[in-house]
Amino acid sequence: AQSVTQLDSQVPVFEEAPVELRCNYSSSVSVYLFWYVQYPNQGLQLLLKYLSGSTLVKGINGFEAEFNKSQTSFHLRKPSVHISDTAEYFCAVSVQTGANNLFFGTGTRLTVIP
Amino acid sequence: NAGVMQNPRHLVRRRGQEARLRCSPMKGHSHVYWYRQLPEEGLKFMVYLQKENIIDESGMPKERFSAEFPKEGPSILRIQQVVRGDSAAYFCASSPFKGGQETQYFGPGTRLLVL
Repeated sequence: AQSVTQLDSQVPVFEEAPVELRCNYSSSVSVYLFWYVQYPNQGLQLLLKYLSGSTLVKGINGFEAEFNKSQTSFHLRKPSVHISDTAEYFCAVSVQTGANNLFFGTGTRLTVIP
Repeated sequence: NAGVMQNPRHLVRRRGQEARLRCSPMKGHSHVYWYRQLPEEGLKFMVYLQKENIIDESGMPKERFSAEFPKEGPSILRIQQVVRGDSAAYFCASSPFKGGQETQYFGPGTRLLVL
């Protein structure tokens, strides 16, 4: 079975400061990894995904994430946040063979303080 | 290219009534997924469909819930005899191909409130 843990339910950060949102996963099979963002009353939008190759993945809006297989982590980072980054961020995994659905973490609410 | 469409955006039902949620996938996408988001929780997979076929319904409650994706028209998630615990946001996603590596594109969701 797969599970995703986002330990930080809320992360406040000042504008222009760096931020890291943590994600750890557990799986008995190989997985693909995703980060999605959800703005209030909207659907989820893909920020970035890791399929294979370079462990550092760059996404939209200046976000990047690094896959660490030994630590089973996929933390999301941004060097300088903007007010518009205030949103809910979800880490998710899917298995490389078999089921096609995503397994989501419980989300991290990022609040950027002016 | 229009995104994934869901309607209604908000739905209020009294206990015991039926709820029908509709999802039109992106043009060219034949794979549809339904997820449920309970308050303060992440999304939980419910069902995966292709045109006219239910591929995986392992996340769907055994009673009262059903889903379809007909040859023509939107995918429908149907909840019969709703209870307060069904209150949640229901999201539909679509992808052009099957496979865990495929990006799923999400609709804006239907927020169901059961009184």
